[in-house]
Amino acid sequence: RKEVEQDPGPFNVPEGATVAFNCTYSNSASQSFFWYRQDCRKEPKLLMSVYSSGNEDGRFTAQLNRASQYISLLIRDSKLSDSATYLCVVNEDLNFGNEKLTFGTGTRLTIIP
Amino acid sequence: DVKVTQSSRYLVKRTGEKVFLECVQDMDHENMFWYRQDPGLGLRLIYFSYDVKMKEKGDIPEGYSVSREKKERFSLILESASTNQTSMYLCASSPTGTWKVANYGYTFGSGTRLTVV
Repeated sequence: RKEVEQDPGPFNVPEGATVAFNCTYSNSASQSFFWYRQDCRKEPKLLMSVYSSGNEDGRFTAQLNRASQYISLLIRDSKLSDSATYLCVVNEDLNFGNEKLTFGTGTRLTIIP
Repeated sequence: DVKVTQSSRYLVKRTGEKVFLECVQDMDHENMFWYRQDPGLGLRLIYFSYDVKMKEKGDIPEGYSVSREKKERFSLILESASTNQTSMYLCASSPTGTWKVANYGYTFGSGTRLTVV
């Protein structure tokens, strides 16, 4: 079983719609979770962290369900500029505050005008 | 603008050659990482380093080695390049500490697309 699993998509969504992605992780000891965004032929960039209580940043909402070991990302009122690959990322806290991130394979989103 | 710089954007090498991929960061980050990214497989960790002269194997270290002689520089070495090492290589750096990683994440370089022929 992969450590971090995502539906690869593609998700083709009309502009203005709401879209949600889920991600599951296998290591129950994982401590922190993130969504990264990767544009075509670009490097990944941090979109948002995912907190236990859930968090919102504008049109983006991230939630964590530790009991079921899944993470979600909701995008409301989608824009053309949201087209990208969204990477689910799980942090393994090794020691002395050092971190190791494990990336999912990504979910590809295309917003259609 | 703080950044991670990878020495080459595109590289073509022959099978059996020794290949050096260089990565430099100007953020004074303690941690540096090398990933490769392949379609359908995502980013896979090759090696990482938490300090100068320290290195740790990631998930797929076979066929690779690394060097970190200075804090800002982390080199990935393909001892004898093979065609299955054709890939996009991404270097990243991060500060130490859960709070910092949560708020600033990893900073990635723009990648080196390596083709081994």
